Amino acid sequence: EDQVTQSPEALRLQEGESSSLNCSYTVSGLRGLFWYRQDPGKGPEFLFTLYSAGEEKEKERLKATLTKKESFLHITAPKPEDSATYLCAVQASNSGNTPLVFGKGTRLSVIA
Amino acid sequence: DAMVIQNPRYQVTQFGKPVTLSCSQTLNHNVMYWYQQKSSQAPKLLFHYYDKDFNNEADTPDNFQSRRPNTSFCFLDIRSPGLGDAAMYLCATSRDRGPGSEQYFGPGTRLTVT
Repeated sequence: EDQVTQSPEALRLQEGESSSLNCSYTVSGLRGLFWYRQDPGKGPEFLFTLYSAGEEKEKERLKATLTKKESFLHITAPKPEDSATYLCAVQASNSGNTPLVFGKGTRLSVIA
Repeated sequence: DAMVIQNPRYQVTQFGKPVTLSCSQTLNHNVMYWYQQKSSQAPKLLFHYYDKDFNNEADTPDNFQSRRPNTSFCFLDIRSPGLGDAAMYLCATSRDRGPGSEQYFGPGTRLTVT
């Protein structure tokens, strides 16, 4: 069964304190790994897609990396507006109609 | 701006009273999805339409139904809501179902069952 585990569940950072969020996955063939940002009471906002080990993508203070077993979302010098829940999802190659399997997310709080 | 729109944003219904949630998209995407998300949990896929082809997840209760009358609109019908159906309902779209097909989400409808 395809599984996605995100850690930590919650992370509290001071403004400017860089850190990383982890997404570990178990799938029988990876077609894509996705990162989303979700603000309270809103729908997830697409951030990145990663396809293969070694791939990296950046957007402002966020950088996503991928290995064969996990992905990291690095946050450099975070600001309070980066506070949100970050969701990871995988798309497996044998899943036919390819639904995404989501993790429960990491709730990030950045304190000024 | 192209987007995914959900109405209403907040819905209150009574136990057992049918309710319909609406989703529309201006992205002209082929695929539309409905997810259920409870507090601090991952979004759970209920079903999706690939064009007119309906795909139900195996563990989606029969109480949940969906309609897609055209490319732009998709509806979620809950025939007899129970207290356990209170959740955020998210609609999403993607251009296709192939590798790396990013899904774009609407703002969600928060359903309360009294």
